[in-house]
Amino acid sequence: QTVVTQEPSLTVSPGGTVTLTCASSTGAVTSGYYPNWFQQKPGQAPRALIYSTSNKHSWTPARFSGSLLGGKAALTLSGVQPEDEAEYYCLLYYGGARVFGGGTKLTVL
Amino acid sequence: QMQLVQSGPEVKKPGTSVKVSCKASGFTFTSSAMQWVRQARGQRLEWIGWIVVGSGNTNYAQKFQERVTITRDMSTSTAYMELSSLRSEDTAVYYCAAETSAARIDPWGQGTLVTVSS
Repeated sequence: QTVVTQEPSLTVSPGGTVTLTCASSTGAVTSGYYPNWFQQKPGQAPRALIYSTSNKHSWTPARFSGSLLGGKAALTLSGVQPEDEAEYYCLLYYGGARVFGGGTKLTVL
Repeated sequence: QMQLVQSGPEVKKPGTSVKVSCKASGFTFTSSAMQWVRQARGQRLEWIGWIVVGSGNTNYAQKFQERVTITRDMSTSTAYMELSSLRSEDTAVYYCAAETSAARIDPWGQGTLVTVSS
């Protein structure tokens, strides 16, 4: 069973920078896993932020960026705003299947 | 704009089946792939499976392989997810999401709460 692992929780100060990561139990994450990142706030459907590692949607704030870092997919928030407090999920592609990470609860404090 | 509208909440008894619909608009349905995802209260997102709308090819997560069927009706731009042999652990919000170009998943439906209770 493939497992995708994210940090369970992270805390960042307003204006700060934080990096969330997404690791695969099968080995290093590459662009071929087409990492997607989603933001979810309580009571809402997930909202897409990043697709195919680093591509932003038209509504994705500039402070969000996606990359590959040390064998993992990464989501970096630079200049964090209070409204960025949310749960963040990565999704990796495994051929025809997809697997979500466990999510990272980001607290802005 | 691109939009997915799902059917309303369902309450089902254990052992029965549920079928959730997801109607697409604002994009070329036949050129997309429809994903289904669920989320139990307070839990993580869980991928169920998907259908390539044009071909009808499906792929299901191993966990749901025996109990789920994803279909589509191209005449109404609607995708369906049917889950059988329901148990209390299937109580969750079920989402559809469209993969409208390679590895790009958006939009998402609003979610459908399925409650399994005797």
